[in-house]
Amino acid sequence: KQEVTQIPAALSVPEGENLVLNCSFTDSAIYNLQWFRQDPGKGLTSLLLIQSSQREQTSGRLNASLDKSSGRSTLYIAASQPGDSATYLCAVLRGSRLTFGEGTQLTVNP
Amino acid sequence: EAGVAQSPRYKIIEKRQSVAFWCNPISGHATLYWYQQILGQGPKLLIQFQNNGVVDDSQLPKDRFSAERLKGVDSTLKIQPAKLEDSAVYLCASSSPRGGLTGNEQFFGPGTRLTVL
Repeated sequence: KQEVTQIPAALSVPEGENLVLNCSFTDSAIYNLQWFRQDPGKGLTSLLLIQSSQREQTSGRLNASLDKSSGRSTLYIAASQPGDSATYLCAVLRGSRLTFGEGTQLTVNP
Repeated sequence: EAGVAQSPRYKIIEKRQSVAFWCNPISGHATLYWYQQILGQGPKLLIQFQNNGVVDDSQLPKDRFSAERLKGVDSTLKIQPAKLEDSAVYLCASSSPRGGLTGNEQFFGPGTRLTVL
């Protein structure tokens, strides 16, 4: 059974700081890994999707890496802003089932 | 392209009552998913449809939860009777199986927040 763990559970940083969110998974036989953002009371917004054959993906200030063999992914956020405050979820796709971690709640203080 | 639509956005009911949620996937997406997200946790898959057939309902509490997708487009998820522990956000997602059932990106709706008192 696939298990996904995210560390830390919560993170509070001052504006402008660079930060890293971590995700680990137990079964490396995945199709892809996806990072989502969730604002309070809202649905999921896809940020980055990394196929199993890829090592990283970048979008603006976000960079996600994938090391499938070790079962790890990181989401790097550069020059954080208060608008980045949200819960960040990683999820791995194996077959047709998407398994989520419990998320990291990020607060960026002005 | 319109996204996944869900209604209602919020619902408050008392325990033992019934409730139903509706989802309209992205046009042309044959695969539809229902997830339950309890506060502080990641979403958990309840059921997956391919067109109007069930692919995976292994985590659906079938004694009280049911779902259907009669015409292969819209779907409804029902809870009868509701319990306190059913309080959660219910998310619907859809994907387009270009190469089959597996490995396809899922797109999520805004969710329905259910509170059971």
